[in-house]
Amino acid sequence: RKEVEQDPGPFNVPEGATVAFNCTYSNSASQSFFWYRQDCRKEPKLLMSVYSSGNEDGRFTAQLNRASQYISLLIRDSKLSDSATYLCVVNRPGGYNKLIFGAGTRLAVHP
Amino acid sequence: DAMVIQNPRYQVTQFGKPVTLSCSQTLNHNVMYWYQQKSSQAPKLLFHYYDKDFNNEADTPDNFQSRRPNTSFCFLDIRSPGLGDAAMYLCATSRSGEQFFGPGTRLTVL
Repeated sequence: RKEVEQDPGPFNVPEGATVAFNCTYSNSASQSFFWYRQDCRKEPKLLMSVYSSGNEDGRFTAQLNRASQYISLLIRDSKLSDSATYLCVVNRPGGYNKLIFGAGTRLAVHP
Repeated sequence: DAMVIQNPRYQVTQFGKPVTLSCSQTLNHNVMYWYQQKSSQAPKLLFHYYDKDFNNEADTPDNFQSRRPNTSFCFLDIRSPGLGDAAMYLCATSRSGEQFFGPGTRLTVL
């Protein structure tokens, strides 16, 4: 079983749509959770951290369910510029801030 | 602006010819990482440094080595590149929590 699993997509949605991505992780001892965004042929960039109580940043909402080891990202009112790959990222306990990346979910927003 | 810089952005090497990729940072972060990312795959951690303390991942091939002469610089040496080593190599830094990535070096092996 992979440490972090995501639906690879692609998700093809029209502008203005709401889209949700899911992610599961295998290590119950993980404590830090993130969503990164990666544009084609570019480096990953932090989109948002994910907190136990859930958190929102503008059109983006992240949720964490520790019991189910499940993380989600909701994007409301999709923009063309949201087209990218969204990487679910979880820390691996031990070591110095080691992060394990999912393979990503590709989102394509069309007019 | 404080940042993570990788040189070169594109590197072409021949099968078996040693190659070195470089990374520098102005963030003064004590942890630096090297990842390998192949097309449509997750970035895969190769190794990381906490200051001068080197931590190799168990499945990182011996063909990959790293050096960190000081806080600002970190190098990835591929001793005998094979066709399967063609990938994007990403350097990242952190102090705690978020990791900051450089733009990557895309390696082609002929």
